[in-house]
Amino acid sequence: AQSVTQPDIHITVSEGASLELRCNYSYGATPYLFWYVQSPGQGLQLLLKYFSGDTLVQGIKGFEAEFKRSQSSFNLRKPSVHWSDAAEYFCAVGTTSGTYKYIFGTGTRLKVLA
Amino acid sequence: KAGVTQTPRYLIKTRGQQVTLSCSPISGHRSVSWYQQTPGQGLQFLFEYFSETQRNKGNFPGRFSGRQFSNSRSEMNVSTLELGDSALYLCASRGQNPYEQYFGPGTRLTVT
Repeated sequence: AQSVTQPDIHITVSEGASLELRCNYSYGATPYLFWYVQSPGQGLQLLLKYFSGDTLVQGIKGFEAEFKRSQSSFNLRKPSVHWSDAAEYFCAVGTTSGTYKYIFGTGTRLKVLA
Repeated sequence: KAGVTQTPRYLIKTRGQQVTLSCSPISGHRSVSWYQQTPGQGLQFLFEYFSETQRNKGNFPGRFSGRQFSNSRSEMNVSTLELGDSALYLCASRGQNPYEQYFGPGTRLTVT
């Protein structure tokens, strides 16, 4: 079955520290992969996406993610976190066969300490 | 371009009532999807409309329905509201690239 797992429900980091949010997926074919960010009371904003090609993708707000097929992972990273990065982050898989569907992970809530 | 807009942003209803939520996609986008977001279940796909036709449907009861108009605006209706329907309802639109969807700010529905 298709699924997306974000093993960390909450993560707390200090401002200026590096960040890595984990995402593992289960999908039979090559997936399309996404990271979204959601600020409190807001909708989801697309941070970055992977369709094919270079496995290291750059996104907005200084975020990057690396696709590792062998590990079925698509982890999100940022070298230096800012207080404004505090939000909830969602990893998603877009199915590539049949109808277009998104499968979202359960999210990781990031807290940033001043 | 204006983004995806949803109205109303907040809504309080009583059990047993019905509610209609509206979503206006980005200009030129013909696909509109609806999601329910709750703390317990996360983001769950409700349905997708494309050119006024329902193209995909999630696992929700028949109380949840939707439609899309010729201008691509979409409405979602929930009848006989239950307490468990309290959630943030998100709408997303897609254009030429089916894998790039853009979300609206959501409608926060509270059922009392």
